[in-house]
Amino acid sequence: RKEVEQDPGPFNVPEGATVAFNCTYSNSASQSFFWYRQDCRKEPKLLMSVYSSGNEDGRFTAQLNRASQYISLLIRDSKLSDSATYLCVVNRDDYKLSFGAGTTVTVRA
Amino acid sequence: ETGVTQSPTHLIKTRGQQVTLRCSSQSGHNTVSWYQQALGQGPQFIFQYYREEENGRGNFPPRFSGLQFPNYSSELNVNALELDDSALYLCASRPDRIYGYTFGSGTRLTVV
Repeated sequence: RKEVEQDPGPFNVPEGATVAFNCTYSNSASQSFFWYRQDCRKEPKLLMSVYSSGNEDGRFTAQLNRASQYISLLIRDSKLSDSATYLCVVNRDDYKLSFGAGTTVTVRA
Repeated sequence: ETGVTQSPTHLIKTRGQQVTLRCSSQSGHNTVSWYQQALGQGPQFIFQYYREEENGRGNFPPRFSGLQFPNYSSELNVNALELDDSALYLCASRPDRIYGYTFGSGTRLTVV
């Protein structure tokens, strides 16, 4: 079983729509959680950290459910520029980042 | 603009050859990690260095090796290249454990 699993999508949504997707992680000892964004053929960039109480950053809301070991990301009022692959990332032992394979989101005009 | 620079950006090598990829991190970034990202997959952890010592390794064979230098640069060496080594190789660094990692733009290696 992979350490981090994500729905690959693609999620194809119109501008202004809300899109949400999850990932699950297998190791209950995981300590830190993140969402990274990766544009085609570019490096991953940190979108936001995910905290136990849930957190927002503008149009982006992240939730963590430790009991069920899943993490979610919700994007409100989607923009064309939100089109990207979103990588769910889990950090268990303070050095290795474990990445999911990514969820592809395409926002259409 | 990223503070982590990788070179070269693209590289084509023949199966069986050896390759060295380079990463230059920002001053003060004592920790550097290397990742391999195959097409359609998430990055996979290769190893990490802290103050020039390897302090963590993923499930990669010994032909993947690395070095970190006092000037915050590092290398990833791969011997006896195989076709499956074709991937985007990413370097990531951070100054301290409380900070997130900054990724370089990667080296795209093609083995033919």
